[in-house]
Amino acid sequence: DVKVTQSSRYLVKRTGEKVFLECVQDMDHENMFWYRQDPGLGLRLIYFSYDVKMKEKGDIPEGYSVSREKKERFSLILESASTNQTSMYLCASSSAGTRQTQYFGPGTRLLVL
Amino acid sequence: ELKVEQNPLFLSMQEEKNYTIYCNYSTTSDRLYWYRQDPGKSLESLFVLLSNGAVKQEGRLMASLDTKARLSTLHITAAVHDLSATYFCAVDDFASGGGADGLTFGKGTHLIIQP
Repeated sequence: DVKVTQSSRYLVKRTGEKVFLECVQDMDHENMFWYRQDPGLGLRLIYFSYDVKMKEKGDIPEGYSVSREKKERFSLILESASTNQTSMYLCASSSAGTRQTQYFGPGTRLLVL
Repeated sequence: ELKVEQNPLFLSMQEEKNYTIYCNYSTTSDRLYWYRQDPGKSLESLFVLLSNGAVKQEGRLMASLDTKARLSTLHITAAVHDLSATYFCAVDDFASGGGADGLTFGKGTHLIIQP
């Protein structure tokens, strides 16, 4: 079974803090994705990566950056957290090529005060 | 820009009834995904529909895809309480050459099945 894990289920941070959200997958997937989920808005793609050290912007990259130093790990970074980044963050991974089923992690619920 | 619209967004129904969730999308695509999300949990892949006319069934759920109408349906037959969840459809815009290769999701249908 594909397993995607996220470092924290719940996180509380203060405005202006630098925040790291970590995602690890154990299926040797090439593709990894970060989404945020907000009530009434569904899931929106923040960033994705097709390979180590490779990153592409999704639909809402502003205020975020990512890092992929190892194939199994994809980090989402909030350089200076703001209250409008309070959300549920979901990581996903899929095997090589586009158009592969994405498998999701359990999510990190982030509250920025 | 790819848009994905689901309706209804909220559905309360009784057990043993049948109902359909609709998913419309705005650009050419021949691959559509259905996911289920339980409260406080992550998304679970239900179906991947790969071509026009594709139909897949799992238990009381059946999904279909009409790429010409840009419409997918998720049909629930003789609903049971365990099917209460939020259901999302998602489309990739690979076929239209969209810039992002992640998925574009609908807003989700929050389904409550009452005894």
